[in-house]
Amino acid sequence: QKEVEQDPGPLSVPEGAIVSLNCTYSNSAFQYFMWYRQYSRKGPELLMYTYSSGNKEDGRFTAQVDKSSKYISLFIRDSQPSDSATYLCAMKWGGGNKLTFGTGTQLKVEL
Amino acid sequence: DAGITQSPRYKITETGRQVTLMCHQTWSHSYMFWYRQDLGHGLRLIYYSAAADITDKGEVPDGYVVSRSKTENFPLTLESATRSQTSVYFCASSDIREGEQYFGPGTRLTVT
Repeated sequence: QKEVEQDPGPLSVPEGAIVSLNCTYSNSAFQYFMWYRQYSRKGPELLMYTYSSGNKEDGRFTAQVDKSSKYISLFIRDSQPSDSATYLCAMKWGGGNKLTFGTGTQLKVEL
Repeated sequence: DAGITQSPRYKITETGRQVTLMCHQTWSHSYMFWYRQDLGHGLRLIYYSAAADITDKGEVPDGYVVSRSKTENFPLTLESATRSQTSVYFCASSDIREGEQYFGPGTRLTVT
């Protein structure tokens, strides 16, 4: 079993829909949680970074962490075609700055 | 230009050849990382470095060599390339105080 599980999709939604992307994890030591967005043939770019359980909002994006269930989510409101990308969750524990990544969910927002 | 750059962006090589992928960052970040990204596997850590002259193995280090003589550079060498090393390679860096990593644009390597 992988430490971080993420549904690879692809997920296809109409423009304006609310998108929910999720990851589950098994390592209780994970303390920091991130979401990266990766456009085709580009490097991943950091989208959201959270530490504690609860919600963190940034524009149309909301990151949610539930440490008791070992479950994190990324919500995208009013989705746009420009949101079409692969979304990777990433987690960190302790020192060393190493991250453990999910395999990524491919999202397509259609007109 | 500020940021993290990789070269070459595309490379085709033959089995058995030595190949070096370059990574350069301008932030003076302490940590640097090399990943490979393959369909179905996501990002897998090959090697990482906490500072100049300090490197350590990641999840998939076999067949790769790294060095870090200067803080800003972290080259990755495939000593004798194999077809299984065909992949997209990403370099990343992070500050010692922060957890998030910043990625380069990637090198697409094909081994024939």
